[in-house]
Amino acid sequence: AQKITQTQPGMFVQEKEAVTLDCTYDTSDQSYGLFWYKQPSSGEMIFLIYQGSYDEQNATEGRYSLNFQKARKSANLVISASQLGDSAMYFCAIAGAGSYQLTFGKGTKLSVIP
Amino acid sequence: DAMVIQNPRYQVTQFGKPVTLSCSQTLNHNVMYWYQQKSSQAPKLLFHYYDKDFNNEADTPDNFQSRRPNTSFCFLDIRSPGLGDAAMYLCATSRTKHMGTSYSKNIQYFGAGTRLSVL
Repeated sequence: AQKITQTQPGMFVQEKEAVTLDCTYDTSDQSYGLFWYKQPSSGEMIFLIYQGSYDEQNATEGRYSLNFQKARKSANLVISASQLGDSAMYFCAIAGAGSYQLTFGKGTKLSVIP
Repeated sequence: DAMVIQNPRYQVTQFGKPVTLSCSQTLNHNVMYWYQQKSSQAPKLLFHYYDKDFNNEADTPDNFQSRRPNTSFCFLDIRSPGLGDAAMYLCATSRTKHMGTSYSKNIQYFGAGTRLSVL
């Protein structure tokens, strides 16, 4: 069984500042994938970034990077140069080996302040 | 642009009146998923299709059914909606569901969702 823990229900960040959203996970699988999604108030789940457990380098996609620390079982999302449009709910998710199913965390609500 | 499209965006139905939500995709992905998301909660997987192979989650109520007539379309049927079925319904697709050492083919892409209200 997989588990995702997001300990920050809500966070505030000043526009143009960087912000880190925490995610820790628990799995007994050796191979797994970690994913981050953004959900604005409109409801659409937008895929941001993923990291495979065997990937040696941290994933980056534009202003998003994933700080993957395998020994600590953490997969934090870093957003650089925050923009007002980054205000949304952010979900961390995991899929284990041989499993299609995503296990989501409870999410972190990010608010970007002008 | 290739995408996942859900219709309608908002649906209002009456208690007990059957309702159908639709999802279409231009990604030509093999797998289509339906999720239910209630307010302030994470999405909950209801079922998925791998090609024509239907897979129901163990705790999905019988009230929820699905059809996938072809690769591009998938429908969610709620036979007798109750007040507790009011939620956001999200459709997602992925190219495959089998995990290897690379997870890029397993990334799930979501539609904009249908927000269902039950009166």
